[in-house]
Amino acid sequence: AQSVTQLGSHVSVSEGALVLLRCNYSSSVPPYLFWYVQYPNQGLQLLLKYTTGATLVKGINGFEAEFKKSETSFHLTKPSAHMSDAAEYFCAVSTFQKLVFGTGTRLLVSP
Amino acid sequence: DAGVIQSPRHEVTEMGQEVTLRCKPISGHDYLFWYRQTMMRGLELLIYFNNNVPIDDSGMPEDRFSAKMPNASFSTLKIQPSEPRDSAVYFCASRPGFNTEAFFGQGTRLTVV
Repeated sequence: AQSVTQLGSHVSVSEGALVLLRCNYSSSVPPYLFWYVQYPNQGLQLLLKYTTGATLVKGINGFEAEFKKSETSFHLTKPSAHMSDAAEYFCAVSTFQKLVFGTGTRLLVSP
Repeated sequence: DAGVIQSPRHEVTEMGQEVTLRCKPISGHDYLFWYRQTMMRGLELLIYFNNNVPIDDSGMPEDRFSAKMPNASFSTLKIQPSEPRDSAVYFCASRPGFNTEAFFGQGTRLTVV
């Protein structure tokens, strides 16, 4: 069965600093991986996705993630945090039909 | 397309009452998921359907929960009887095929008092 582990329920950064949100997955078959963002009182929206091919994936709002099979990781990064990035971020893994999410990481951005 | 539509957005009910949450997926999407979000447990997958057929309901917490998808454009999640520990935000999501991205509704915030 597939699963996702997100290290750190909360991550705090200063505006302009590097954002790094960690995600490790477990899957017995090649995974499809996703990062979603959730703003307060809203549903989840897709940031980026890895299917096949290039392992470095670029998404919206300057975010990117790198798929590392040897490390079973799919960490999310952004070079320079903005106040508007404050939100909850979810990593998800899909193998065929099922879509399973991690427990989420809340990103706090201070001025 | 208007996206995934959930109703109601907010529901407050008394313990023991029946609660029905509704979802209209995006037209043409083959998969529909129900998730529950709480502070303690994060985003839990309750059940999902493929072409209106329930595929995996192993995440449904107990027999008080049931879900149906009578046609491709409508699904319900029912809790009967409701309990305070059912208080959470319930999300519906749909996706066009396997291994594709899922599109989420705005969620239903359920409060059981």
